[in-house]
Amino acid sequence: DGGITQSPKYLFRKEGQNVTLSCEQNLNHDAMYWYRQDPGQGLRLIYYSQIVNDFQKGDIAEGYSVSREKKESFPLTVTSAQKNPTAFYLCASSPGQGWNIQYFGAGTRLSVL
Amino acid sequence: QKEVEQDPGPLSVPEGAIVSLNCTYSNSAFQYFMWYRQYSRKGPELLMYTYSSGNKEDGRFTAQVDKSSKYISLFIRDSQPSDSATYLCAMSSSDSWGKLQFGAGTQVVVTP
Repeated sequence: DGGITQSPKYLFRKEGQNVTLSCEQNLNHDAMYWYRQDPGQGLRLIYYSQIVNDFQKGDIAEGYSVSREKKESFPLTVTSAQKNPTAFYLCASSPGQGWNIQYFGAGTRLSVL
Repeated sequence: QKEVEQDPGPLSVPEGAIVSLNCTYSNSAFQYFMWYRQYSRKGPELLMYTYSSGNKEDGRFTAQVDKSSKYISLFIRDSQPSDSATYLCAMSSSDSWGKLQFGAGTQVVVTP
């Protein structure tokens, strides 16, 4: 069953802690994206990757880091530098250059303890 | 000013009514237009995709793009309670490497 899997569904972070959100896709897509969604603000792009071993900052990259060591995986780390991490995080993928449609995972809800 | 403007609602309609949603945008380079549906605490799912101007119909859903006015619309006919969700518009240009600009989303409530 092809798709995008995000885990965990819910995550809690303590002060000063780094946490990592997982995103895996079996669609053989080249491009992957991370978004943050806050109430009333739509989706804001954190990082994106068009190809393995390469990624670019989006509009709100501060306090976040990513890696793209495998085509199917694009984990997001929320670092302690992100002072307001409580949000719904969405991972998306797209076939690649020339494609504008993105397909989304089910999301991870991150809260601060 | 945001590149894509969308009224957050909520928009409440009775079952069977037509739901009318719209977005305005400022970037004339946008050529690809999408509507996503997002149920509470779920990821967005693609509803409609349109390239450039014109209309596209898929079942109860119709998407319209008016590039001269920088205005896109989504109409839902014979609305059902299962259509209650947040609807997000998204758009991109040919040189954006697939990066999408999203509206804030409109919450729709269809009451039985």
